[in-house]
Amino acid sequence: QKEVEQNSGPLSVPEGAIASLNCTYSDRVSQSFFWYRQYSGKSPELIMSIYSNGDKEDGRFTAQLNKASQYVSLLIRDSQPSDSATYLCAVYILTGGGNKLTFGTGTQLKVEL
Amino acid sequence: DADVTQTPRNRITKTGKRIMLECSQTKGHDRMYWYRQDPGLGLRLIYYSFDVKDINKGEISDGYSVSRQAQAKFSLSLESAIPNQTALYFCATSDYDWTTSTYGYTFGSGTRLTVV
Repeated sequence: QKEVEQNSGPLSVPEGAIASLNCTYSDRVSQSFFWYRQYSGKSPELIMSIYSNGDKEDGRFTAQLNKASQYVSLLIRDSQPSDSATYLCAVYILTGGGNKLTFGTGTQLKVEL
Repeated sequence: DADVTQTPRNRITKTGKRIMLECSQTKGHDRMYWYRQDPGLGLRLIYYSFDVKDINKGEISDGYSVSRQAQAKFSLSLESAIPNQTALYFCATSDYDWTTSTYGYTFGSGTRLTVV
């Protein structure tokens, strides 16, 4: 089982709709979870972080965390064409070599006009 | 100037050649990382360094070596490049965030390496 799993997509949504991106993780002791946005050929950009069960909102973005189900999601409201990118879920995992950020393979989001 | 600078931005090299990718940072972070990104495989950790004297292998270190010349500099070398090392390479740094009790990451702009 991969440590961090995401559906690769592409996920297509119409402009103005809500995009829902999902991620599951395998390490039960993980405490910190992150969503990065990556445009093609560019570096990842942190857009949301969440540490407690429940929802965290920042503008059009809402991160949701359910530690019991080992599930974290990202909702993007009023999706815009500029939101078209790959979204990487990342989980802070404690390993024998120290704490490291482990990434999922990413979900490609396409917002259509 | 960027906080984390990678050079070169693009490089084409021949199979068997030695190549070095360089990373420098102005953030003053102790921790530095090299990731490789391939389509459909996400970001995979090659090597990481928690300080100048501490270097560790990541999940895909075979065929790579690193050097931490100073707190601000972390170089990745391919001793004998092969075509399946063609990828997008990212350097990153991290520092402890007391608010979240975790390390916040800053990525460089990436180096696109092609081995022919």
